[in-house]
Amino acid sequence: GDSVTQMEGPVTLSEEAFLTINCTYTATGYPSLFWYVQYPGEGLQLLLKATKADDKGSNKGFEATYRKETTSFHLEKGSVQVSDSAVYFCALSGTGGGNKLTFGTGTQLKVEL
Amino acid sequence: DTEVTQTPKHLVMGMTNKKSLKCEQHMGHRAMYWYKQKAKKPPELMFVYSYEKLSINESVPSRFSPECPNSSLLNLHLHALQPEDSALYLCASSRDSSGKETQYFGPGTRLLVL
Repeated sequence: GDSVTQMEGPVTLSEEAFLTINCTYTATGYPSLFWYVQYPGEGLQLLLKATKADDKGSNKGFEATYRKETTSFHLEKGSVQVSDSAVYFCALSGTGGGNKLTFGTGTQLKVEL
Repeated sequence: DTEVTQTPKHLVMGMTNKKSLKCEQHMGHRAMYWYKQKAKKPPELMFVYSYEKLSINESVPSRFSPECPNSSLLNLHLHALQPEDSALYLCASSRDSSGKETQYFGPGTRLLVL
């Protein structure tokens, strides 16, 4: 079945540091790929998405590129802020019925001054 | 507008109580979802409604009863819950459930069962 693997957290960075959160997936066919962010005490917010190979999703300075050859969708940001502290979930959908989302385990990011 | 609203924000209930969670979207989406999220874990799918009909039930205990009165509303009726049912309950919607559609989540209801 489908699966998503994310790097273990927590990831602790200083403000203005470069961020990479690794995400790889296993799926049949051509899934859509997503990054969701969950701030403390809140629901999930869509951060960015990509629907086909070589697509780049971007939002709020975050970027991720759909790499079919490496089955990856790594999240990057050039300069993180304290306000980026949250849990980030990589997810995929579309290879089965019901539009089911398969989530990674989540990566907690802590950004310090 | 990609807003999904959920009420109440917090809920405390005893094991003999009956309560309901509500979810609403006005994006014209025809698929709606209930998820359960425990602390430090990803959301787990419970139910999928497509065009107001239940299309997926992920073997959820019968003490959870979903209802979709119309295309904008989704309820989750709770009865005789257990303390282990305490969690964040998230609602989501998407244009449809045909596959590869983006799901938009609400802020969740944080449920505590005593």
